[in-house]
Amino acid sequence: EPEVTQTPSHQVTQMGQEVILRCVPISNHLYFYWYRQILGQKVEFLVSFYNNEISEKSEIFDDQFSVERPDGSNFTLKIRSTKLEDSAMYFCASSESTASLGYEQYFGPGTRLTVT
Amino acid sequence: QKEVEQDPGPLSVPEGAIVSLNCTYSNSAFQYFMWYRQYSRKGPELLMYTYSSGNKEDGRFTAQVDKSSKYISLFIRDSQPSDSATYLCAMSRAGNNRKLIWGLGTSLAVNP
Repeated sequence: EPEVTQTPSHQVTQMGQEVILRCVPISNHLYFYWYRQILGQKVEFLVSFYNNEISEKSEIFDDQFSVERPDGSNFTLKIRSTKLEDSAMYFCASSESTASLGYEQYFGPGTRLTVT
Repeated sequence: QKEVEQDPGPLSVPEGAIVSLNCTYSNSAFQYFMWYRQYSRKGPELLMYTYSSGNKEDGRFTAQVDKSSKYISLFIRDSQPSDSATYLCAMSRAGNNRKLIWGLGTSLAVNP
């Protein structure tokens, strides 16, 4: 069964460093998302991406964050200068794209980001 | 008022029990409702997906949506120890902006 994959599973970085989190969405899906989950808190939406551009972003997704689809399979999240409060699980998700279907999102296993 | 509210539990039941999980929401624009299961430090796994009001059944799982009350439920029949996990509700509006708004999750333990 097709699945979303994410690398690395765990990333440790120092405050102020740049990190890139990688995702390979399900191959026929056209909507891509990043969410994060701080330990003990709700899953929070960061950004959605469709047709090679950001379709929606949250207040969390400020100038320190960017997303890219560098080729036909990968979808990346970059944090330019990490802060301690960026420590969280980051989940990539994807969904199909049709007018009335494709709202269900399939998630990867996550990347645990630890900022020290 | 929070957009999506979910009792975090924990909920502890004996094996074979019927489990009832629920969420309430405040935004009447939500049209799509999902239930995910999450094991510790893993990604959310989609269990059930429902559009608008009504019931949907899949094996031991039944999802119900009551849009008039802004209330959704997930029922698990004949619960098993392997059902022990956190169950999260999530919902979205229709249209191109499909971000999911999440409940906090309910922690469930099914005891053998």
